[in-house]
Amino acid sequence: NAGVTQTPKFRILKIGQSMTLQCTQDMNHNYMYWYRQDPGMGLKLIYYSVGAGITDKGEVPNGYNVSRSTTEDFPLRLELAAPSQTSVYFCASSYSPGHKIHNSNQPQHFGDGTRLSIL
Amino acid sequence: GIQVEQSPPDLILQEGANSTLRCNFSDSVNNLQWFHQNPWGQLINLFYIPSGTKQNGRLSATTVATERYSLLYISSSQTTDSGVYFCAVDAGGFKTIFGAGTRLFVKA
Repeated sequence: NAGVTQTPKFRILKIGQSMTLQCTQDMNHNYMYWYRQDPGMGLKLIYYSVGAGITDKGEVPNGYNVSRSTTEDFPLRLELAAPSQTSVYFCASSYSPGHKIHNSNQPQHFGDGTRLSIL
Repeated sequence: GIQVEQSPPDLILQEGANSTLRCNFSDSVNNLQWFHQNPWGQLINLFYIPSGTKQNGRLSATTVATERYSLLYISSSQTTDSGVYFCAVDAGGFKTIFGAGTRLFVKA
């Protein structure tokens, strides 16, 4: 199993450009997450999804969009890149037997990250 | 919202020493995880521990949910233990909140 795969690993964007960060997992996990990690800081949740067709905002969703058309894929889109979005982006997935059972979530598995610089 | 505080923020150990990292959280949580971020930036899940004690080799963790803290113990530290250790809690609504981390450097 590859686990959680993120592409690209590195990217430099100009202000105002758009791009999509790809994330795919092969563990049949129903939950997926996008985080950003700024230098010297912990991770902050951008968006999450509890299953195909269902997404919701995390702590810092402004400037980003997501979609979840399949169980495996959870792309993150930046429409108008801004310098404040320079960060390392991590995708993660986990399994929960039922999204209404709040304390049943299982450990999160992370991808290796995408380092994004906006100049 | 819920606050997650980790201590100490930085820690330098001589190889072979033991250490305890602490995570305090300000409200009841559904679950708690400990992660290690290695110097290459990769995040590895160490423990999923909403309560009780777990051990995995030289690492163990204890969460006392009623007192809102968790401890990560590292025994006989090795240089490969260097990196950042994060505590993350599930605050409900499927949102995970990370602490700022403890940066550990183990000297040979």
